[in-house]
Amino acid sequence: AQKVTQAQTEISVVEKEDVTLDCVYETRDTTYYLFWYKQPPSGELVFLIRRNSFDEQNEISGRYSWNFQKSTSSFNFTITASQVVDSAVYFCALSEVSRSNYQLIWGAGTKLIIKP
Amino acid sequence: ETGVTQSPTHLIKTRGQQVTLRCSSQSGHNTVSWYQQALGQGPQFIFQYYREEENGRGNFPPRFSGLQFPNYSSELNVNALELDDSALYLCASSLARQGNTEAFFGQGTRLTVV
Repeated sequence: AQKVTQAQTEISVVEKEDVTLDCVYETRDTTYYLFWYKQPPSGELVFLIRRNSFDEQNEISGRYSWNFQKSTSSFNFTITASQVVDSAVYFCALSEVSRSNYQLIWGAGTKLIIKP
Repeated sequence: ETGVTQSPTHLIKTRGQQVTLRCSSQSGHNTVSWYQQALGQGPQFIFQYYREEENGRGNFPPRFSGLQFPNYSSELNVNALELDDSALYLCASSLARQGNTEAFFGQGTRLTVV
């Protein structure tokens, strides 16, 4: 069963537009962690944010913000005033406490294209 | 603080051959996880090593094996390569059993099996 779903395969916007990347997850654990990673063309996965299941406060970091809603099992990522450098593939991932090794379960990714 | 480094960056192998991929973990991290990322897909967990012992394995056949050394660096070995093994192989280091910390990834090894 798919545990992390990123329904948007590809999004294309013009620079300075706001864009939201969706992530829906599924877990039976009450304690879990959610992550967003960015993967530029170079291939390296760059950590953006971690959120634990007990902290539903939204977070803002510069132009980036995250909306975590347990009621809808969603952890969406918004980029405000997008820039060309934001172009990359973005992955949402889940880590369940019931798995002692905290392995990451990944969505399929959303390719974000920011046009100048 | 050194980051996670992987070698080689690119590799071409023939079907049936064996390959070894290497990973140096970030300073202070004692856990290494390996992921396979096929083109256009999210990473898939292969296995994890913690203090030189395998600590969990994903849905990969036994021809995928690994090692972790006392300095916490790691190797991924794949025997009897198949065409479907062509992928980006990513190594991640982290502090063990602390789900509230992020994993730091290397730049990956792009393996092509022909």
